[in-house]
Amino acid sequence: DVKVTQSSRYLVKRTGEKVFLECVQDMDHENMFWYRQDPGLGLRLIYFSYDVKMKEKGDIPEGYSVSREKKERFSLILESASTNQTSMYLCASSFAAGGPGGELFFGEGSRLTVL
Amino acid sequence: QKEVEQDPGPLSVPEGAIVSLNCTYSNSAFQYFMWYRQYSRKGPELLMYTYSSGNKEDGRFTAQVDKSSKYISLFIRDSQPSDSATYLCAMSGDTGRRALTFGSGTRLQVQP
Repeated sequence: DVKVTQSSRYLVKRTGEKVFLECVQDMDHENMFWYRQDPGLGLRLIYFSYDVKMKEKGDIPEGYSVSREKKERFSLILESASTNQTSMYLCASSFAAGGPGGELFFGEGSRLTVL
Repeated sequence: QKEVEQDPGPLSVPEGAIVSLNCTYSNSAFQYFMWYRQYSRKGPELLMYTYSSGNKEDGRFTAQVDKSSKYISLFIRDSQPSDSATYLCAMSGDTGRRALTFGSGTRLQVQP
């Protein structure tokens, strides 16, 4: 089975802190994604990556950056956390980007609270 | 207008009922359709995956796609309290370097 592991399930940070969310997948997938999920807004794509050191902006990239130095690891960075970034963050990976094999496999999520 | 519309619910049914969950979409390029189940405070897990129109059955679950109407459904037979979760539909086109497009999810409660 595909396993996507997010390093922290629950985090509490203060406004202005730098926050790192780490994600590792064990299925040699090319594609990795970061979403945030908020009540009433559903899943919103922040960033995705199709290859090592490659990244593309999703629908809501403002206030976030990402890093993919190794194929299996995709990190989400909040340079200066703000209260409106309090959310559930979900990492996912897939064999393909859309089309056949494009189904996503998700991690358990990281619940971030910014005070 | 959203590309994928899904009634947020909550949908409350008694144990043993047949549940119908639905999504409509506007992009005729969508070819691959998925249903995810998400328990509270967990990540979504893939439940069903279908290509183009037709039906697919897996145990108590049936996924149905009607591309002419741009409408997909998930049926759950003999629903159980353990089916209580949020169900998300997702879809993608045949090509293109894009992630899936998700519905906002329907919360289902199966009452024992």
